[in-house]
Amino acid sequence: DSGVTQTPKHLITATGQRVTLRCSPRSGDLSVYWYQQSLDQGLQFLIQYYNGEERAKGNILERFSAQQFPDLHSELNLSSLELGDSALYFCASSVGGRNTIYFGEGSWLTVV
Amino acid sequence: GIQVEQSPPDLILQEGANSTLRCNFSDSVNNLQWFHQNPWGQLINLFYIPSGTKQNGRLSATTVATERYSLLYISSSQTTDSGVYFCAVYNYGQNFVFGPGTRLSVLP
Repeated sequence: DSGVTQTPKHLITATGQRVTLRCSPRSGDLSVYWYQQSLDQGLQFLIQYYNGEERAKGNILERFSAQQFPDLHSELNLSSLELGDSALYFCASSVGGRNTIYFGEGSWLTVV
Repeated sequence: GIQVEQSPPDLILQEGANSTLRCNFSDSVNNLQWFHQNPWGQLINLFYIPSGTKQNGRLSATTVATERYSLLYISSSQTTDSGVYFCAVYNYGQNFVFGPGTRLSVLP
């Protein structure tokens, strides 16, 4: 158990819909990262928050948004879903960039 | 941005064999980690190793930061070692970048 909690674990939804993925970081970790992993693909960095503020942005679509709340949990919002958004979405946390990054178990999203 | 390469892309071993996985990166890094993604999709931390050598049971890793590469050694491989091995590097201001992974299959 990495200490990073993601919900839901599995989600099936229809095209055009909107979903929210939730992440609770390890206790004491200020940085939260979101990654997308499509089938048989590598991990694509989406976005990072540090202590409530956006720190870095990767290949995140405009239909996607995220935020980190004062209690440090984070949510990734995916809207106007397309079939190609089906993927495993990981949240990770760390104290900072020089420190070990720990991953949650991921949220499997299937868009039908 | 920083580029990360891993080799080989695929590796098939017989149980009990040893292997070496390589990670090359194009710039200096503040952090390097190795992960194992098991067949169920879980990403497991193996090593935090921005430099030097570490060992954990049958696994060990070495990073030569000045030459921009890291090696992961797996000895006496077991079927449970199967999965994809990723290295990830962190360069301040660029965030964590993952390599494409090495897919390892250990046959009984």
